[in-house]
Amino acid sequence: DQQVKQNSPSLSVQEGRISILNCDYTNSMFDYFLWYKKYPAEGPTFLISISSIKDKNEDGRFTVFLNKSAKHLSLHIVPSQPGDSAVYFCAASATNAGKSTFGDGTTLTVKP
Amino acid sequence: GAVVSQHPSRVICKSGTSVKIECRSLDFQATTMFWYRQFPKKSLMLMATSNEGSKATYEQGVEKDKFLINHASLTLSTLTVTSAHPEDSSFYICSAPSGGGAVGTQYFGPGTRLTVL
Repeated sequence: DQQVKQNSPSLSVQEGRISILNCDYTNSMFDYFLWYKKYPAEGPTFLISISSIKDKNEDGRFTVFLNKSAKHLSLHIVPSQPGDSAVYFCAASATNAGKSTFGDGTTLTVKP
Repeated sequence: GAVVSQHPSRVICKSGTSVKIECRSLDFQATTMFWYRQFPKKSLMLMATSNEGSKATYEQGVEKDKFLINHASLTLSTLTVTSAHPEDSSFYICSAPSGGGAVGTQYFGPGTRLTVL
């Protein structure tokens, strides 16, 4: 049973346009959500997070939206840049668990 | 930000040999570290939680006698793949939560590519 799902394995957008990456979760105990970015042959790097008490968190070009009732979150990147091309992992954690559960990732390609 | 290193970055070994991978937190102490395995085009699969001063906690389906974990100090955890076989070939990544980061935030090492011939 996969508790965190990223249903789109890949996404391609034009430079300057918006990239929207989606993530769904099933475990209602999750109360913290994170997005990581990963380049090939490297470890993931933290990008942005959101607590379940919020529905939006913004950091520069990156915004994460959380819809608790739908158990859905999304990452918006605007404007998208070629350097944003990477695999994006959605992760969820419960405060008292310490560990995170990751989705399968979405490969974003931003075309110049 | 916090830095986590892994060594080696790449290892090729013969079937039946054991391989040790080190994970170090360079500028912070980590009482807990996580070990992941990533298959091609797949997610990070949590293998085990390494705990300083106590036994590691393994996820369901992960053989603890196959993947030995030792958390020797507050900055070092090691994963030993014993009697490696070709099916153990994978990308292994460690991470450590940083106390100064957001809840649930982990800092990842660069990963170790293991190829078993």
